[in-house]
Amino acid sequence: QQQVKQSPQSLIVQKGGISIINCAYENTAFDYFPWYQQFPGKGPALLIAIRPDVSEKKEGRFTISFNKSAKQFSLHIMDSQPGDSATYFCAAMSRGGGTGFQKLVFGTGTRLLVSP
Amino acid sequence: EAGVAQSPRYKIIEKRQSVAFWCNPISGHATLYWYQQILGQGPKLLIQFQNNGVVDDSQLPKDRFSAERLKGVDSTLKIQPAKLEDSAVYLCASSPPRAGGKNEQYFGPGTRLTVT
Repeated sequence: QQQVKQSPQSLIVQKGGISIINCAYENTAFDYFPWYQQFPGKGPALLIAIRPDVSEKKEGRFTISFNKSAKQFSLHIMDSQPGDSATYFCAAMSRGGGTGFQKLVFGTGTRLLVSP
Repeated sequence: EAGVAQSPRYKIIEKRQSVAFWCNPISGHATLYWYQQILGQGPKLLIQFQNNGVVDDSQLPKDRFSAERLKGVDSTLKIQPAKLEDSAVYLCASSPPRAGGKNEQYFGPGTRLTVT
């Protein structure tokens, strides 16, 4: 099943709070899980990524938590700032069919608004 | 380094007309992708090129969409004839040869297509 489910659809967090976005997948062939950040009028940009051999990855205020057995992963944004207001997409990548080339499947996105 | 360039940024056409989008990837990136992003959804892969060869076009509506990547650099995506449901942002992305397990795709700003 080439699908990644993402929630919530939208999120409002106060400045300084923690933003949490969750994703779930079915395909056990996925072996790379990136998060992308997209500002209005811009293309998505890679924020942070994790492989299934680790349970957590932290980069600055951004942390990915990964639960392989539950096939779930989440993005935590600590000390959320108004500049973090954007749409966040989780994604999953697997080697595509017999070609061996990677194929990126995106979640539906979460619109985050951090209020001042 | 210069990012992925796309043009035009915006296009409005009537249904049944044709339209073409252009993409110039980051220099040295062998892999090029075209995605369709419908409002409120995550990007969906339409076609993936490795140099000038197609490696995945399973989600490209081939009765109306076509894409080419001549000389393994620039690419064009064409829609003929356009339908109302083709209204979306068309994103181009590129990625370097996979080295050290890095899978990052770099996205352009997209072309917003409105079909009336």
